[in-house]
Amino acid sequence: KAGVTQTPRYLIKTRGQQVTLSCSPISGHRSVSWYQQTPGQGLQFLFEYFSETQRNKGNFPGRFSGRQFSNSRSEMNVSTLELGDSALYLCASSEGGSFYNEQFFGPGTRLTVL
Amino acid sequence: AQSVAQPEDQVNVAEGNPLTVKCTYSVSGNPYLFWYVQYPNRGLQFLLKYITGDNLVKGSYGFEAEFNKSQTSFHLKKPSALVSDSALYFCAVRDPYSGAGSYQLTFGKGTKLSVIP
Repeated sequence: KAGVTQTPRYLIKTRGQQVTLSCSPISGHRSVSWYQQTPGQGLQFLFEYFSETQRNKGNFPGRFSGRQFSNSRSEMNVSTLELGDSALYLCASSEGGSFYNEQFFGPGTRLTVL
Repeated sequence: AQSVAQPEDQVNVAEGNPLTVKCTYSVSGNPYLFWYVQYPNRGLQFLLKYITGDNLVKGSYGFEAEFNKSQTSFHLKKPSALVSDSALYFCAVRDPYSGAGSYQLTFGKGTKLSVIP
């Protein structure tokens, strides 16, 4: 099976712009989670989608939003970018039906905000 | 709320020696515990998990972890370290009794492992 793919891999934006990141999960996986990784804060949970519904949300401002499509692909959007949004954004997928499913991660999108 | 602590930011070990990366957790009920590894400029790779049963869990690349409920710990171990094991290691916990957050994985800050030739 193909792994989790994320596009684009690298992105440079300026403050105030918005950005959309894309994630394609492993075939058959219905759950997609998004994380922000920074050197100072580590891995922070953004949100999780399961069968097109947001099932859980982390402690991030409303500028961060996401959605999931019927084919389980997911997008994450950040509006009005700030310098502090510079980070590696990781997407992870799992079968999603059980608490003991492990998550499989994509390579990430490196976002730089200038 | 669930939480994970990795008390060591960095662990250095000589090649061929045993290694241990420490993890402690806090949950309201019985935890589901995971270890992941991250190589530079890569996503996280799953190593192993503890759900229930035997306290010693074996995983990928010769790694194992021991669940200790009384000490609320889940330390990652390997009998003989390789230079290629050098990477960033993350412990994660899921608390199935946390209501709406039950599916959320909470990660530790990570421990950088350096294996010295």
